[in-house]
Amino acid sequence: DVKVTQSSRYLVKRTGEKVFLECVQDMDHENMFWYRQDPGLGLRLIYFSYDVKMKEKGDIPEGYSVSREKKERFSLILESASTNQTSMYLCASTKLAGGGETQYFGPGTRLLVL
Amino acid sequence: AQSVTQPDIHITVSEGASLELRCNYSYGATPYLFWYVQSPGQGLQLLLKYFSGDTLVQGIKGFEAEFKRSQSSFNLRKPSVHWSDAAEYFCAVGIGDTDKLIFGTGTRLQVFP
Repeated sequence: DVKVTQSSRYLVKRTGEKVFLECVQDMDHENMFWYRQDPGLGLRLIYFSYDVKMKEKGDIPEGYSVSREKKERFSLILESASTNQTSMYLCASTKLAGGGETQYFGPGTRLLVL
Repeated sequence: AQSVTQPDIHITVSEGASLELRCNYSYGATPYLFWYVQSPGQGLQLLLKYFSGDTLVQGIKGFEAEFKRSQSSFNLRKPSVHWSDAAEYFCAVGIGDTDKLIFGTGTRLQVFP
């Protein structure tokens, strides 16, 4: 079975701190994604990556950056956390297939910025 | 632009009753369509997906969905709901030849004994 793990289930940070959220997948997937999930808004794509060192902005990239130095690991970085970044963050991965592939999700990190 | 609409924010059913969750999409070509389920405190798990062929798709946990091109719909159904089906359900559409998805806003299902 595909396994996607996220470094923390819960995280509390202060405004202005630099925050790293880590995601690791064990199925040699090319694509990795970061979403944020907010009540009433569903999942919104922040960034995705289709290869090592490759990244593309999603729908809401402002205030975030990403890093993918190894195929299995995709990091989301909040350079200076703000209270409006309090949310649930979900990582997902999939094979590179040109559409139709299942995305496999991690359990999520619930981030609270005070 | 592609979009997914789930018109029901919250649905409550009794255990054993039938269930239908609605999903409408906006997309120019034949879409890839997905239903995911999220149990409390968990990530999302795929229930089923449609990408071609038979318009009635069977999934895990006794769920099925029907693709209706004329109505731009992909509604999820289950004939008899169990208390363990209480969760949030997300419909999603694949974007062209990328592997990205657009998600609906979700429907929260509550099941009463």
